[in-house]
Amino acid sequence: ETGVTQSPTHLIKTRGQQVTLRCSSQSGHNTVSWYQQALGQGPQFIFQYYREEENGRGNFPPRFSGLQFPNYSSELNVNALELDDSALYLCASSRQGINTEAFFGQGTRLTVV
Amino acid sequence: KQEVTQIPAALSVPEGENLVLNCSFTDSAIYNLQWFRQDPGKGLTSLLLIQSSQREQTSGRLNASLDKSSGRSTLYIAASQPGDSATYLCASAMEYGNKLVFGAGTILRVKS
Repeated sequence: ETGVTQSPTHLIKTRGQQVTLRCSSQSGHNTVSWYQQALGQGPQFIFQYYREEENGRGNFPPRFSGLQFPNYSSELNVNALELDDSALYLCASSRQGINTEAFFGQGTRLTVV
Repeated sequence: KQEVTQIPAALSVPEGENLVLNCSFTDSAIYNLQWFRQDPGKGLTSLLLIQSSQREQTSGRLNASLDKSSGRSTLYIAASQPGDSATYLCASAMEYGNKLVFGAGTILRVKS
């Protein structure tokens, strides 16, 4: 049990819709990172939040956005969904630092039809 | 841009065999190298973290090594068991704050 929880576990949306995914970080962790994992591939870094500010972003368009709340939980929002957005979305929490372990949630499986 | 490659893509071994999974990376300026396990449709479980100044880390039947100069890491699994069947992912931390660059993974199947 990692203590990182994501909701919902599964989601089906229609192309063009908007979606919000949620993540509760592990106790004591102040940093949340989001990753997208397409089928058969490794996770790709979307962005990271630290102290409620975006702290680094991968190669994802602006329609991917996020928030971090004072309790360090986080949301990932995706607007104008495309079929290629279908993937497993993973949230990882950690303490900010150089060699801190990342703890992942179970993921949200998003299917865009 | 960091690229992480894992070989082989899939591996099937009989129970009890010792095995090695390989991970290579193109940029040696890493903070650390991490190994994860992923069961089908699930999240990632952290196995080992090797800091850039370290050569290896051990946890139970698992041993991970790091050679920054050659851009390689290996995960050694001793006396494999069917419960070890999963996808194993390596990831390098390139920036302060644990932003990870992952390989595509090695799918391991241990046959009983």
